[in-house]
Amino acid sequence: SQQGEEDPQALSIQEGENATMNCSYKTSINNLQWYRQNSGRGLVHLILIRSNEREKHSGRLRVTLDTSKKSSSLLITASRAADTASYFCASAFTGGFKTIFGAGTRLFVKA
Amino acid sequence: DTEVTQTPKHLVMGMTNKKSLKCEQHMGHRAMYWYKQKAKKPPELMFVYSYEKLSINESVPSRFSPECPNSSLLNLHLHALQPEDSALYLCASTGVGMGNEQFFGPGTRLTVL
Repeated sequence: SQQGEEDPQALSIQEGENATMNCSYKTSINNLQWYRQNSGRGLVHLILIRSNEREKHSGRLRVTLDTSKKSSSLLITASRAADTASYFCASAFTGGFKTIFGAGTRLFVKA
Repeated sequence: DTEVTQTPKHLVMGMTNKKSLKCEQHMGHRAMYWYKQKAKKPPELMFVYSYEKLSINESVPSRFSPECPNSSLLNLHLHALQPEDSALYLCASTGVGMGNEQFFGPGTRLTVL
């Protein structure tokens, strides 16, 4: 399969705690993106990190990228019940439009 | 307008029917995508159009036929589908040079009886 892998598959935390999700991919990439999907709806782009970047922040989100390990992590700090959703990483390949999504992590934030 | 719209929201069709899914964006994006998503699975890329030309076809069965009439519209024509084709069909678009950051529509929930 060309899919990347994500872990954990599911994560349940209390409001206010931090949530960390990990993603691995298989081939060289141009950039890696993280998306969020609420149940049965369209995906929302959260953050993009380029292959020459190691860390990026956006609000309560922090993304890291380790190209030597072909892995990325998404940290959501001070989680809220509204963060409950599925989170997907997506690797974009050099020279084209192809994007491959990881298996996803389902996050449950309990109020 | 920073929205991708998809119609219909829900579609139920028999295996002998012909139907079409529609996607529209007015952000000037020149790449548009079709994805298929089964429950609790990630989106799977089906087709990519770049500048109204088909640039990627991920070995999708011919019962799915994409069409890009102009830079704002993307259709997916469906014919002789199977029950296992039931899924959420997502359309997305991206601007050239945006690093493949994609804007997604809300999807069409397709049920094949």
